Amino acid sequence: DVKVTQSSRYLVKRTGEKVFLECVQDMDHENMFWYRQDPGLGLRLIYFSYDVKMKEKGDIPEGYSVSREKKERFSLILESASTNQTSMYLCASRAGDPSSYEQYFGPGTRLTVT
Amino acid sequence: DQQVKQNSPSLSVQEGRISILNCDYTNSMFDYFLWYKKYPAEGPTFLISISSIKDKNEDGRFTVFLNKSAKHLSLHIVPSQPGDSAVYFCAASEDQGGKLIFGQGTELSVKP
Repeated sequence: DVKVTQSSRYLVKRTGEKVFLECVQDMDHENMFWYRQDPGLGLRLIYFSYDVKMKEKGDIPEGYSVSREKKERFSLILESASTNQTSMYLCASRAGDPSSYEQYFGPGTRLTVT
Repeated sequence: DQQVKQNSPSLSVQEGRISILNCDYTNSMFDYFLWYKKYPAEGPTFLISISSIKDKNEDGRFTVFLNKSAKHLSLHIVPSQPGDSAVYFCAASEDQGGKLIFGQGTELSVKP
């Protein structure tokens, strides 16, 4: 069974703080993703990584950065949190096999920025 | 611009009846489509998928239909059960191994 874990289920931060969201997967997947989920907007891709130290911008990368130093770990960084970054953040992983489309998601982190 | 659209934010169905969730897309390059199910406070879980070379895929109570000419897919759940109550997302991908584009989601409520 694929397991994707996220460091926190709920997080409350103040405007301007630096925020780290951690994601770890245990299936040796090459690809990892960060999404945010907002009502009426579905899941929107922030960043993804197809290999260690590699990263690609998704559809809404502004205000975020990522780090992938080890294959199993993918971190999302909010350099200076703002209230419009209050959201549910979801991490996902997928095998590197090109025929594999399915992404496996973690439980999510509900971030509130006050 | 929303490349994948789920125009119904919510759907209510009686237990035992059929649930039909719809999804439209605009990008003709999409060649693989997936449905995910999400319960509150949990991450989405994969439900069923279909390749563009097929028009139907079935897995137990769940069937996905693809109409490429209309750029439309639908998920049928028969019979619906209260445990099916969740938010359903459709997603599409342009190429093998590519990123997924998600719709806005439809919240299904199955009433006993």
